[in-house]
Amino acid sequence: DIQMTQSPTSLSASVGDTVTIACRASQAISNYLHWYQQKSGKAPKLLIYAASKLQSGAPSRFSGSGSGTTFTLTISSLQPDDFATYYCQQSDSLPITFGQGTRLEI
Amino acid sequence: QVQLVESGGGVVQPGRSLSLSCVASGFTFSHYSMQWVRQAPGKGLEWVASISHDGKREFYAESVKGRFSISRDASRNTLHLQTNSLRVEDTAVYFCARHTMPPTVDGVDVWGRGTTVIVSS
Repeated sequence: DIQMTQSPTSLSASVGDTVTIACRASQAISNYLHWYQQKSGKAPKLLIYAASKLQSGAPSRFSGSGSGTTFTLTISSLQPDDFATYYCQQSDSLPITFGQGTRLEI
Repeated sequence: QVQLVESGGGVVQPGRSLSLSCVASGFTFSHYSMQWVRQAPGKGLEWVASISHDGKREFYAESVKGRFSISRDASRNTLHLQTNSLRVEDTAVYFCARHTMPPTVDGVDVWGRGTTVIVSS
């Protein structure tokens, strides 16, 4: 199984800040990497697919980069609505696996 | 409007069974693979099972293999998850989601709201 490791697991920031979340895969997964935002009690929402492509409807302050084993999600100019938990997920092979999540707090 | 609506969750004793369903609308159900993903209270996301668009291939997480069964009914645009021999550690919100089988550059763009399963004596 491919293990996904996110860092940090929690992060404190302020409105207007720029933050970066890292995700590392235990083996190379090309660009088969996606990022989700989840708010309490809600389903995850796709933000970035294929490592760097912005999902339709997602704000342009979200961006992704990376390939192989190392990936990052960057949120520029944080807005109040961005405080949530973020997950990376690999779709290189089954079982699909997620990172443990990064909780972004004010 | 593309939508997935789960049902069937509840409170059940360890060792018992529960049948979950997910009704799809707004897209051609038979064109897509489907999956179940769960989230235990306060924990992260865990993939549970997937089924191919035609229902011919099924895949399971090791943690549920032999106990859970995924199926689909094309005539009713419905995805099912039969959960047997439930354990306390199966307690979670179960999400139904549209899916492309790996390897794929497609992320999971359609999710249901989830149905809650609580396994407790």
